[in-house]
Amino acid sequence: QVQLVQSGAEVKKPGASVRVSCKASGYTFVNYYIHWVRQAPGQGLEWMGTINPSRGSTTYTQEFQGRVTMTRDTSTSTVSMDLSSLRSDDTAVYYCARSLLGATTVFDYWGQGTLVTVSS
Amino acid sequence: EIVLTQSPGTLSLSPGERATLSCRASQSVSGNYLAWYQQKPGQAPRLLISGASSRATGIPDRFSGSGSGTDFTLIISRLEAEDFAVYYCQHYGSSPITFGQGTRLETK
Repeated sequence: QVQLVQSGAEVKKPGASVRVSCKASGYTFVNYYIHWVRQAPGQGLEWMGTINPSRGSTTYTQEFQGRVTMTRDTSTSTVSMDLSSLRSDDTAVYYCARSLLGATTVFDYWGQGTLVTVSS
Repeated sequence: EIVLTQSPGTLSLSPGERATLSCRASQSVSGNYLAWYQQKPGQAPRLLISGASSRATGIPDRFSGSGSGTDFTLIISRLEAEDFAVYYCQHYGSSPITFGQGTRLETK
């Protein structure tokens, strides 16, 4: 069965960086984009960007450009999301989700979420 | 960037009643590329509807979506206990992908 399993919760200080990983299984890894969506406490969903696991190409929203880096390891079917220069308002649950390459960007499977807390 | 505005913010209904949730876009959503998700506390969102009206795999037929252009609707025909959750609309016709702020469906 399709699974996206994310790494565990993180606590970071302001100014630090965090890496969240997303390991895919149950499908052909390179056939689906992986996206990152975050949700601040009690708030809505915010799309951060995406990576094409086949090519490694990325698209980031303007808000995160320069602070976020998404990479993939095809040998382990894992995507990582690095976010730098953390601020308190980066405290959120970060989700990975997939969408089919060459099709519309609908997120049919999601990871369980990773809570990142930024606090001094 | 397309801004999606959902209404109402909170909807209080009883099991068995009909729920009507609205999602309005700041500009026309190309190809009716509009999806709906359900999110329960502590869980990831779950895809319900794509293409404005196509139910995702395994979604009960009491969920239906409609609309085009800038106005979209999610209807839950007869609420069951497990339907009380937060619902988000999402457009995916252009970048950046954006979500509405959500409608909380609560038990009356």
